[in-house]
Amino acid sequence: GEDVEQSLFLSVREGDSSVINCTYTDSSSTYLYWYKQEPGAGLQLLTYIFSNMDMKQDQRLTVLLNKKDKHLSLRIADTQTGDSAIYFCAVRPMNRDDKIIFGKGTRLHILP
Amino acid sequence: DTAVSQTPKYLVTQMGNDKSIKCEQNLGHDTMYWYKQDSKKFLKIMFSYNNKELIINETVPNRFSPKSPDKAHLNLHINSLELGDSAVYFCASSLSVGSGGELFFGEGSRLTVL
Repeated sequence: GEDVEQSLFLSVREGDSSVINCTYTDSSSTYLYWYKQEPGAGLQLLTYIFSNMDMKQDQRLTVLLNKKDKHLSLRIADTQTGDSAIYFCAVRPMNRDDKIIFGKGTRLHILP
Repeated sequence: DTAVSQTPKYLVTQMGNDKSIKCEQNLGHDTMYWYKQDSKKFLKIMFSYNNKELIINETVPNRFSPKSPDKAHLNLHINSLELGDSAVYFCASSLSVGSGGELFFGEGSRLTVL
């Protein structure tokens, strides 16, 4: 399968929590990232987590890492219309020439 | 000051032409990249340079030739453009190989081949 997989679409009501999931195959991945892409713009790093951590919280964002299952998630609390974007999961495996591998992106749609 | 800037932002051209996209970063990073994002928003790495040395060269047609005159610049030249080359090309930079640093992306160059 693909190195990094994530569902392509997610719809959430404004004010609810959004949870975007990602699975990866390379267990040597040392850094795991979430990038956000707004329409017509480049990708911006939202947050990242080191492989020796289980959880990282940053204001409305919570990243959970399950190394055993190779599963990464991004939770956005109190989702707002400005959160509407494509969210890319990305991993940096060791010894792969410093390559960061991206998932196909999850398009988050906010319902009023 | 824009950290990673690429020009042009939009490029419309005919099949068979040759075109270049330029990228410059003022972050002092050692590593620069070119990514291609297709119409479905899928992002694929094409090339990576570290201190002017090519370190990643994915399976890309040899019509694509990157050039890094110095570590702050990475240009992409495309020969004999084809319809399938239409995409948004993103330049990015990061700290040295092995640093684990984040990628800083440019705003993209949208190439349309007619």
